[in-house]
Amino acid sequence: DVKVTQSSRYLVKRTGEKVFLECVQDMDHENMFWYRQDPGLGLRLIYFSYDVKMKEKGDIPEGYSVSREKKERFSLILESASTNQTSMYLCASSFRTGAYEQYFGPGTRLTVT
Amino acid sequence: AQSVSQHNHHVILSEAASLELGCNYSYGGTVNLFWYVQYPGQHLQLLLKYFSGDPLVKGIKGFEAEFIKSKFSFNLRKPSVQWSDTAEYFCAVNTNAGKSTFGDGTTLTVKP
Repeated sequence: DVKVTQSSRYLVKRTGEKVFLECVQDMDHENMFWYRQDPGLGLRLIYFSYDVKMKEKGDIPEGYSVSREKKERFSLILESASTNQTSMYLCASSFRTGAYEQYFGPGTRLTVT
Repeated sequence: AQSVSQHNHHVILSEAASLELGCNYSYGGTVNLFWYVQYPGQHLQLLLKYFSGDPLVKGIKGFEAEFIKSKFSFNLRKPSVQWSDTAEYFCAVNTNAGKSTFGDGTTLTVKP
């Protein structure tokens, strides 16, 4: 079974803090993704990586950055957390081509106070 | 840019009722289409997918979906829902590179 793990299930941070969310997958997938999930807005793509050190902006990249130094690990960084970044963050991975589904982690519920 | 539209935000049904959730997409190229489900407290997981061949695809737990290319639609159906189908359902379309666009989701509540 594919496993996508995320470093924390719940996280509470203060405004202005730097926040790191980590994601690890064990299926040698080329693609990795970070989404945020908000009620009524579905899943919105923050960043996408299709290979080590390669990244592409998604629909809402502002205020976020990412790092992919190893194939299995994809990190999301909030440089200076703000209250409007309070959300559920989902990591996913997949094989490269579009015919393949994404596998999701359990999510990190981040609260910024 | 591709987009996905799910027609219903919240659907409430009684057990044994039939279900149809609408999904329309906007994308000019070859599409790969997915329905994902998120049960309460669980990960998002694949329900079913279409990438070629028979436009009627079957998934887990008795769900099926029909791809109608002329209508840019990929509607999800189940003839008889159960209380355990209570969940949020997401339609998604992939580009050839594997990047997905998701709909806003439909919350299904099944009353026992």
